[in-house]
Amino acid sequence: GESVGLHLPTLSVQEGDNSIINCAYSNSASDYFIWYKQESGKGPQFIIDIRSNMDKRQGQRVTVLLNKTVKHLSLQIAATQPGDSAVYFCAENINNDMRFGAGTRLTVKP
Amino acid sequence: ETGVTQSPTHLIKTRGQQVTLRCSSQSGHNTVSWYQQALGQGPQFIFQYYREEENGRGNFPPRFSGLQFPNYSSELNVNALELDDSALYLCASSLQNSYNEQFFGPGTRLTVL
Repeated sequence: GESVGLHLPTLSVQEGDNSIINCAYSNSASDYFIWYKQESGKGPQFIIDIRSNMDKRQGQRVTVLLNKTVKHLSLQIAATQPGDSAVYFCAENINNDMRFGAGTRLTVKP
Repeated sequence: ETGVTQSPTHLIKTRGQQVTLRCSSQSGHNTVSWYQQALGQGPQFIFQYYREEENGRGNFPPRFSGLQFPNYSSELNVNALELDDSALYLCASSLQNSYNEQFFGPGTRLTVL
């Protein structure tokens, strides 16, 4: 079965609000955890990654948090915009074997 | 800088046939990975090529095979097609030391009838 999974298949937020997308993993051997965004009709697009020995990493409007105690990963998007509407995947890199979860569809309401 | 391109965009085959999908990697990228994405699912790793050699493989049978050429472009070949092979096939390129940051092509939609 999948070693990464997402808590919710869909998430709807108001434009300007913050979004939090969650992911659980089971494999403690992961070297990195990665977030990708996939818009309709396109391939996934890299957002941010975090090494397994880190707790937090920030990018432009995004923050990834890693809680190794409960094997939980989250992606926080600040001031969500309509262009953020997409499917978000968490993935884990285990010795260059990239394993993706099933995805959460984020819908941003105007 | 040219992004990752894939051809064809759509393809219809019948069960038992063979198919070849093509990918041109982003300029300067030496690593190519192939994924299968079923509808409503995340991409599933098929295999990775680095310097023309297979450098990792997911849980796919041997009838899924690939090639990487000296210019880093790549092919995915699938023999003896099955109905369950119907999916979006994604190619992604990266640098070997920046594997997390893969650049994906738009995919080839394969339908097996």
